[in-house]
Amino acid sequence: GNSVTQMEGPVTLSEEAFLTINCTYTATGYPSLFWYVQYPGEGLQLLLKATKADDKGSNKGFEATYRKETTSFHLEKGSVQVSDSAVYFCALRRSGGSYIPTFGRGTSLIVHP
Amino acid sequence: KAGVTQTPRYLIKTRGQQVTLSCSPISGHRSVSWYQQTPGQGLQFLFEYFSETQRNKGNFPGRFSGRQFSNSRSEMNVSTLELGDSALYLCASSGQADTQYFGPGTRLTVL
Repeated sequence: GNSVTQMEGPVTLSEEAFLTINCTYTATGYPSLFWYVQYPGEGLQLLLKATKADDKGSNKGFEATYRKETTSFHLEKGSVQVSDSAVYFCALRRSGGSYIPTFGRGTSLIVHP
Repeated sequence: KAGVTQTPRYLIKTRGQQVTLSCSPISGHRSVSWYQQTPGQGLQFLFEYFSETQRNKGNFPGRFSGRQFSNSRSEMNVSTLELGDSALYLCASSGQADTQYFGPGTRLTVL
């Protein structure tokens, strides 16, 4: 079956540090890959996506590149802020309705001033 | 465009009762999916509806059911509530592309 594996958290960083959250996946076919962010007490918000190999998704300083050869979609940000503290979810899905969306367990990020 | 809305936002029920949650998708979106989120199990897929038909189903007991109306609004029902059903229930809608947009969730507490 399909699966998404994220690194265990929490990840604790100081403000302006470099962030990497690892995500690897197992899937048949060619899924689209996503990163979502969840702030306390809220639902998930789409952060970025990539739909095919070598695509790079980016938003709000966050980036992730769809690596088919390593089945990975690692999230990176060059300089984190306290406001980036949240839980980040990696996910995959294919369009067409025959693909149940699969989410990772989430990685909690804590950024200290 | 207005986002995905879910009602109610918070709900407290007792064991054995039933509950109905509502989700209004983004205008024009025909797919609605439901998820259960708990600290122990993470985000788990319940089911997806597309044009009033259940298209995908996760691994949950029959106590969990849903439906979708002709205007794409969806409801989820849980019968004979158990303590373990306490969770954040999230609804997500999607249009032509495969991107899902989530609502704020309904926090269900079963006492």
